[in-house]
Amino acid sequence: GESVGLHLPTLSVQEGDNSIINCAYSNSASDYFIWYKQESGKGPQFIIDIRSNMDKRQGQRVTVLLNKTVKHLSLQIAATQPGDSAVYFCAEGGDRDDKIIFGKGTRLHILP
Amino acid sequence: DVKVTQSSRYLVKRTGEKVFLECVQDMDHENMFWYRQDPGLGLRLIYFSYDVKMKEKGDIPEGYSVSREKKERFSLILESASTNQTSMYLCASSQGARGAFFGQGTRLTVV
Repeated sequence: GESVGLHLPTLSVQEGDNSIINCAYSNSASDYFIWYKQESGKGPQFIIDIRSNMDKRQGQRVTVLLNKTVKHLSLQIAATQPGDSAVYFCAEGGDRDDKIIFGKGTRLHILP
Repeated sequence: DVKVTQSSRYLVKRTGEKVFLECVQDMDHENMFWYRQDPGLGLRLIYFSYDVKMKEKGDIPEGYSVSREKKERFSLILESASTNQTSMYLCASSQGARGAFFGQGTRLTVV
């Protein structure tokens, strides 16, 4: 029979607005969480990470928020620019080893 | 600058061929990873290694093997390539419990 592929969630944001990309993680024992950005034709690029003993971390134009109670991670991008257009992945790791497991990804689309 | 280099960007192989994908990192990282990326499925971990000659199965190791004879090099081997192994393969390395750095990827097509 025909197999139906999973469609990547897409977030469309007006240029200049703030973007919030959400992620639910699975392992409550994970010790650290990372956000990656993947542009077309390239490998994922590290953006920012956060340890499980923190609930917020800021970088340049980006902020990661961690809510361990509901196992939720978010990436906030301030003043979204056309160059932010990409697929964003959250990842978790550091339970019993340094294995890094990725979420499915969200495509960020910038509207002019 | 951190660098992870995969030997090929594009590769076309025939069904049944033995395929080697090579990855080299120049950061003296302990950990190295092989993922495959397919539309709608994200990145799935095939194998990883946390030291020379050490390897651990990821989520989808079937049909693959790996080799880590030197710290900087991690090879992914498809013993007998099949069409369902057509995919983008991504190598990464990391130091301890830190974020991983990725290579550019190898797009493998098995015909």
